[in-house]
Amino acid sequence: GEDVEQSLFLSVREGDSSVINCTYTDSSSTYLYWYKQEPGAGLQLLTYIFSNMDMKQDQRLTVLLNKKDKHLSLRIADTQTGDSAIYFCAESDASGGSYIPTFGRGTSLIVHP
Amino acid sequence: NAGVTQTPKFQVLKTGQSMTLQCAQDMNHNSMYWYRQDPGMGLRLIYYSASEGTTDKGEVPNGYNVSRLNKREFSLRLESAAPSQTSVYFCASSENFSLAKNIQYFGAGTRLSVL
Repeated sequence: GEDVEQSLFLSVREGDSSVINCTYTDSSSTYLYWYKQEPGAGLQLLTYIFSNMDMKQDQRLTVLLNKKDKHLSLRIADTQTGDSAIYFCAESDASGGSYIPTFGRGTSLIVHP
Repeated sequence: NAGVTQTPKFQVLKTGQSMTLQCAQDMNHNSMYWYRQDPGMGLRLIYYSASEGTTDKGEVPNGYNVSRLNKREFSLRLESAAPSQTSVYFCASSENFSLAKNIQYFGAGTRLSVL
């Protein structure tokens, strides 16, 4: 079955860039997603990338996709304390006729002042 | 716009008690899902409903039942709660799980403790 791996923790200083990495095993992935979970809340979609793209930029966020290595990253420029949250990588493919995403375990981003 | 609403937000049960977690969405989505979130385990799919009238098992269905009451509502029932079911439960919905771009919208979660 599909597997999505992320490191569990990342600590950065305010103002620095954060890079959260994710690897996945399914070569037929169509869309890959980044969700953000703030303390005590549900997950919210942050951004997504289609599998035929290798980069997507949205304000402070840059998503890089290396399809050959099955590696996805999320870069947050000028990280702020409000970016402290858990970030989930997810991928979907057409296995079993549905595109239900498979989620990684989440990376806790801690931003120090 | 409420999005996905879950009730209750918190619940404490004794082992063996039953309860139903409620979920409703107002986005006219066809597909709905129940996940549990445990520390270090990420999100695990319990059950899902592709559309009104259908439900299917996910990765961890044992000990749970679901009902897709109508297009808006999808409930999760614990018939005889066990301590292993202590978790945070999330309901989600999406336009249609058969679409390649299957963006899910999540509720705020139900924090359940089973003593």
